[in-house]
Amino acid sequence: NAGVMQNPRHLVRRRGQEARLRCSPMKGHSHVYWYRQLPEEGLKFMVYLQKENIIDESGMPKERFSAEFPKEGPSILRIQQVVRGDSAAYFCASSPDQTQFFGPGTRLTVL
Amino acid sequence: AQSVTQLDSQVPVFEEAPVELRCNYSSSVSVYLFWYVQYPNQGLQLLLKYLSGSTLVKGINGFEAEFNKSQTSFHLRKPSVHISDTAEYFCAVSPQTGANNLFFGTGTRLTVIP
Repeated sequence: NAGVMQNPRHLVRRRGQEARLRCSPMKGHSHVYWYRQLPEEGLKFMVYLQKENIIDESGMPKERFSAEFPKEGPSILRIQQVVRGDSAAYFCASSPDQTQFFGPGTRLTVL
Repeated sequence: AQSVTQLDSQVPVFEEAPVELRCNYSSSVSVYLFWYVQYPNQGLQLLLKYLSGSTLVKGINGFEAEFNKSQTSFHLRKPSVHISDTAEYFCAVSPQTGANNLFFGTGTRLTVIP
């Protein structure tokens, strides 16, 4: 059973470009969570999705950020018009119940 | 709302010595508790979790933690550390009802000295 997969592992963008981060949950898991980790800090919750539904987006910035988890395919975290402050590691987790399993993360660098 | 405090940002310890990493939490509702480990440039790996039952839980790599409800603590312990235990350790909680998103502490950097 493959673990949570994220791609790309590293992403470099210039200010103003768009960043698309993908997450494929573990097989059988219908819950997906996105977290952001700034340098030298813990992870901060961004959004919680189930298939085709956003359940809780209370941790996601209101502008430029969006997330989806379509019926088919991976979950996508999209950041439009990136700024230097978006540079961070973005982690996806999936769960069948109360326990979340994390992917390896995508490290976004904004130049 | 939930919050997690990890009092020690860095803990150096000699190889084969015991270690305790402290975690305290605050919550207005009942929570589940977790410890994760993060090796450099990697994702988080679950060490152990407390959902219910015995307050002493055992995890992988010889780690254990004890849930103390009265002190709202969930300290992580290992009786004898190894060089390979050098990593960042995160304590986290999630509410038992509603969306189970995790609230993390700021992490403790454990460095095992040969």
